[in-house]
Amino acid sequence: EVQLLESGGGLVQPGGSLRLSCAASGFTFSNYAMSWVRQAPGKGLEWVSAFSGSSTYYADSVKGRFTISRDNSKNTLYLQMNSLRAEDTAVYYCAKHTTSIAARPSFDYWGQGTLVTVSS
Amino acid sequence: QSALTQPASVSGSPGQSITISCTGTSSDVGGYKYVSWYQQHPGKAPKLMISEVTNRPSGVPDRFSGSKSGNTASLTISGLQAEDEADYYCTSYTSSSTLGVFGGGTKLTVL
Repeated sequence: EVQLLESGGGLVQPGGSLRLSCAASGFTFSNYAMSWVRQAPGKGLEWVSAFSGSSTYYADSVKGRFTISRDNSKNTLYLQMNSLRAEDTAVYYCAKHTTSIAARPSFDYWGQGTLVTVSS
Repeated sequence: QSALTQPASVSGSPGQSITISCTGTSSDVGGYKYVSWYQQHPGKAPKLMISEVTNRPSGVPDRFSGSKSGNTASLTISGLQAEDEADYYCTSYTSSSTLGVFGGGTKLTVL
């Protein structure tokens, strides 16, 4: 059974940092692209970042502040978030792509989400 | 403002059929077959309902179907059931960005 378990969310002050983790199990982690998708309170979905092969991709809204990485030996995806802003407040979901290609927005498994709140 | 345009809300009675549209451009929906649809119940993670315009993953009822015409993709739900009440999002590959784009979401109410 495929499982994605996010952790690392919480309350942080503007300008602060957080690192999210997503522990994956039930599939060959290294064979698939992985992404982070966020959802601000009461709002829609926003694709934040993706990792495919050795390539990384970012939304313009987080470029230069967020860094996605993965450790295939630990079956874990990460999102390092720096210089956080109030508008980064959201539930952050880890999502598994159906293929190894990050550009194709087909996510067949999602984690339960972890809430990041940026506030003073 | 979302890159893909969806109606904010649609509604239907049990047993009826509804269609949710997702309008983009030739740089995304119209130019590629990589359109997916997700269902999200309150407080839950999204669930993949349709991938690559028309493909229905295993376990998704055949009441759900996808199609595309020009720059508009559509999700049709036939034989509406109470449990179909949820938010629905489309997303597409786009040549204008390194990441795909989501629609703003559509709230489906089953009357």
